[in-house]
Amino acid sequence: AQKITQTQPGMFVQEKEAVTLDCTYDTSDPSYGLFWYKQPSSGEMIFLIYQGSYDQQNATEGRYSLNFQKARKSANLVISASQLGDSAMYFCAMRELIIQGAQKLVFGQGTRLTINP
Amino acid sequence: DVKVTQSSRYLVKRTGEKVFLECVQDMDHENMFWYRQDPGLGLRLIYFSYDVKMKEKGDIPEGYSVSREKKERFSLILESASTNQTSMYLCASSSAGADFNYGYTFGSGTRLTVV
Repeated sequence: AQKITQTQPGMFVQEKEAVTLDCTYDTSDPSYGLFWYKQPSSGEMIFLIYQGSYDQQNATEGRYSLNFQKARKSANLVISASQLGDSAMYFCAMRELIIQGAQKLVFGQGTRLTINP
Repeated sequence: DVKVTQSSRYLVKRTGEKVFLECVQDMDHENMFWYRQDPGLGLRLIYFSYDVKMKEKGDIPEGYSVSREKKERFSLILESASTNQTSMYLCASSSAGADFNYGYTFGSGTRLTVV
């Protein structure tokens, strides 16, 4: 079964600095997908970025980029020029096939990011 | 523009009560999921459904059941609520196939407290 590990329970960063949130994964499936979600204090889960295992380039979405290192099985999220509104819980997740073609997400433990002014 | 709606944002129930958490999606998604979120444990899958009337156990189904009588609605049932079921409950839906690259659409969550 797939497993996702986020080893940083909490991180504190100064505003405008770049921040890297760590995520490592374990799977024997050659085809997989990795996701990052943001959860502000309001509780909603916001999709940030997706990386497929066969994608040649690292995914980017605005200030978010995914540092995908396949050999090391890591998929770190990089946020450039952090803002106060980036303070939130961040979850890394991996896609897993279940049955009847359905897929589910397996989540890591999460990292709470706090941006200091 | 709400796409996945959970019926309650906050809920307080007594030990032993039967509790219903409702989730409705308007995106015609085939798949629906119930997770619970606890500090330090991330999101853990309770049950999922890939079609109407179809349900499958996730990683932590004990003490829960589900119902999916219509495509758009997926209900989580706590048969006899206990204090260890105090948690944040998140409903999600997704389409099948390649569109899954967008992952899930989540509801806003229900924070359940069992006293």
